[in-house]
Amino acid sequence: GAVVSQHPSWVICKSGTSVKIECRSLDFQATTMFWYRQFPKQSLMLMATSNEGSKATYEQGVEKDKFLINHASLTLSTLTVTSAHPEDSSFYICSASRLAEGYTGELFFGEGSRLTVL
Amino acid sequence: AQSVTQLDSQVPVFEEAPVELRCNYSSSVSVYLFWYVQYPNQGLQLLLKYLSGSTLVKGINGFEAEFNKSQTSFHLRKPSVHISDTAEYFCAVSLHNTDKLIFGTGTRLQVFP
Repeated sequence: GAVVSQHPSWVICKSGTSVKIECRSLDFQATTMFWYRQFPKQSLMLMATSNEGSKATYEQGVEKDKFLINHASLTLSTLTVTSAHPEDSSFYICSASRLAEGYTGELFFGEGSRLTVL
Repeated sequence: AQSVTQLDSQVPVFEEAPVELRCNYSSSVSVYLFWYVQYPNQGLQLLLKYLSGSTLVKGINGFEAEFNKSQTSFHLRKPSVHISDTAEYFCAVSLHNTDKLIFGTGTRLQVFP
């Protein structure tokens, strides 16, 4: 199967610091990666869509300068939460679509990264 | 714009009982439909999807869902649940030929012995 791995799975940081979360597709090349934010007992909110080698497309209301997304290769995307504050505490999940001919309709999700900002 | 509504935030059920998790969607254009399951502290796993063809879709772990265009619904069903089915279930839609998923608010299925 297609595996997507996120690192770290859990991180605590001080307010004002920056935190980087990695999302890797381990056994396939990903055309597109997506970043979601999930609040406790709530649904996943799409933050941005990233394609390898191009700028990410952010959803309305998501601060580009706050949540920096870099998609350096077909197997790696990173989300950097800059100058984190307690309200940024959340569960961040990435997903990837596999490079393939035709639309398969399936995304592969990482295990998620829980960020706690003190 | 597309939206997904999962009316039931929690569904408690006894083991071996049947269950239905409801999902309704709104869209002015054709969409693809999905059900994902999330176990505690894990990412999402695809249960099943409807892209085209037969409106009754069978997925993993004995789940199935039926696409009803007239009622804009895609309810998830399982005839006999197990304790291990306890998880959060998300319905999602995407526009044709895009991977951008819009999720519902989720339904917590709690199976009791």
